[in-house]
This record gives sequence, structure tokens and C-alpha cells, in this order.
Amino acid sequence: DAGITQSPRHKVTETGTPVTLRCHQTENHRYMYWYRQDPGHGLRLIHYSYGVKDTDKGEVSDGYSVSRSKTEDFLLTLESATSSQTSVYFCAISDSSNQPQHFGDGTRLSIL
Amino acid sequence: GDSVTQMEGPVTLSEEAFLTINCTYTATGYPSLFWYVQYPGEGLQLLLKATKADDKGSNKGFEATYRKETTSFHLEKGSVQVSDSAVYFCALSDQGGGNKLTFGTGTQLKVEL
Repeated sequence: DAGITQSPRHKVTETGTPVTLRCHQTENHRYMYWYRQDPGHGLRLIHYSYGVKDTDKGEVSDGYSVSRSKTEDFLLTLESATSSQTSVYFCAISDSSNQPQHFGDGTRLSIL
Repeated sequence: GDSVTQMEGPVTLSEEAFLTINCTYTATGYPSLFWYVQYPGEGLQLLLKATKADDKGSNKGFEATYRKETTSFHLEKGSVQVSDSAVYFCALSDQGGGNKLTFGTGTQLKVEL
């Protein structure tokens, strides 16, 4: 299995609070991604990174920000969580633009 | 933009039955195509891939052929097992850089004895 660790694995929080999810990799892969999984939508890309400090928006980036200060860590931040951001969040990594992505085990986030 | 359409589930089969899960796509250029599988409570695992027209991806008895003329990448298996019960996602990777994936909505497969 690809060395990807997501933390926390589960979180319950209240509307309006800030939340940060962490993705840590030990594979030294260049590309990292954040997706959310919702029933009826499959997985949708939130943000991705193609190198340290290099990030770009995905399909559903509103309300989310990311940072990548080291190759191994990619952080996803919800500045002020809303109930619509209740979801399962997956991190993925890839070592080049033509290689498959490998996924972490996910973070289940509930916003009450 | 790019999109992937796959058949709705759940699909319920008896063990040893033949499986087909349909997947069609819309994309500019020549995307790579993937099938991922998700077991309960887990992340997605790459099942197979194809990178150009007429390529056949295969793994663990599953197969899919990249059909450019019909823009399809249907997943097949000749004899399913209870352990194949999972959610299957078809996906395409853009060729514009970034290797971003576009997923279908997923098809749940239930295999019964």
C-alpha cells in the first residue's frame, strides 16, 4: 500500500468553526490531491498540488483552502465549516502526470 | 468539461455470475481510463487502467477495454465472488496537466451465495 496517512480519521464539529485535515505521504510523490465523496456524486476534486507551494483549484474549491509547505504534507482547511461540507474526504498522491493516483483511507467529517 | 457516466446500482448477482458494469465518458483529447474499487470503510484502490484506444486493462479476473469509437470502458468479470462486493468507480484522467481525475458516481455490487 502507498504510504498515505490521513488525520484525523473522524471528526465532529460545529458550524462556523475552523477545521484542518492533514494528508501525510512517505512516497516523495510530486502530486497530491483532496477529494470529497458524497452520495450520488462519486468523488469530486477540491484542490490539488503539483509541488511545494504550488496548488490549484478543483471542481468544488469554494469554502476550502490548502497549503503544502513540505513535499510530504498537504493540508486542507475549512475556514468556517458549514453543514454542506459534511462529507468523507480523501487524499490521493501520484508521482507523475501519467501515473495512477493512490488514495488514503479517508476522513469522515460531520458538521453539526 | 470532462464527464463519466456509469450505470446506477446496486447490482445484485449470485456467486459465479457474469458481471458487466457500464461506463461511458466525454472528454477532449485522449484521456487515460481507470476502474477503482472501494470496500466498506476503506479508500479507493486502483483495479485496472488503460492509457490508449484498444488497450485492455486487467487485474484479479476483471477486464475493461478502452473503446474510443463508443467512448466506453465497461468493466467485466466472468465469475464473481462474494468477496467482490464493493463499490466500483470509473474515472478518467485529463491530459491537460495535473493528472486530475473525473469520477463517475459509483456502482455498488452485491454478490450473494
